[in-house]
Amino acid sequence: KAGVTQTPRYLIKTRGQQVTLSCSPISGHRSVSWYQQTPGQGLQFLFEYFSETQRNKGNFPGRFSGRQFSNSRSEMNVSTLELGDSALYLCASSSKTGGETQYFGPGTRLLVL
Amino acid sequence: AQSVAQPEDQVNVAEGNPLTVKCTYSVSGNPYLFWYVQYPNRGLQFLLKYITGDNLVKGSYGFEAEFNKSQTSFHLKKPSALVSDSALYFCAVRATGGSYIPTFGRGTSLIVHP
Repeated sequence: KAGVTQTPRYLIKTRGQQVTLSCSPISGHRSVSWYQQTPGQGLQFLFEYFSETQRNKGNFPGRFSGRQFSNSRSEMNVSTLELGDSALYLCASSSKTGGETQYFGPGTRLLVL
Repeated sequence: AQSVAQPEDQVNVAEGNPLTVKCTYSVSGNPYLFWYVQYPNRGLQFLLKYITGDNLVKGSYGFEAEFNKSQTSFHLKKPSALVSDSALYFCAVRATGGSYIPTFGRGTSLIVHP
């Protein structure tokens, strides 16, 4: 089976812009979770989608949003980018909501200038 | 609220020696516990998990972890370290009920010296 794929792998944006990141889960997985990884804060949970519905949400501002399509692919959007949004954004898929085992993609490294 | 502590930012070990990466947790009720490994510029890879049953869990690449309920610990171990084991290791906990959001530790950098 192909693993979790994320596009793009690297991205440079400027403050105030918006960005959309994409994640394709492992075939058959219906749960997709997003995480932000930074050296200072570590891994922080953003949200989880299952069958096109947001099931869980972390403590991030409303500038961070997501959605999931009927084929389980997911997108994450960040509007009005701030310097502090520079991070590695990881997507993880699982066969169940709140899945016991998550399979992570390689991440999208976002740099905000 | 659930939490995970990885008390060591870095662990150094010589190749061939046993290694231990420590993890303690706090969660309401019974925990699901996980270990993941991250290599540079890569996502996290699943190593092993404890759900229920035998306290000693065996995982990928020769790693194992021991669940200790009384000490609320889930330390990762390997009998003989390899240089290729050098990476960042994350412990995570999730409650069996309520919120399904997992909490990750800050990570421990394992450096195996030749």
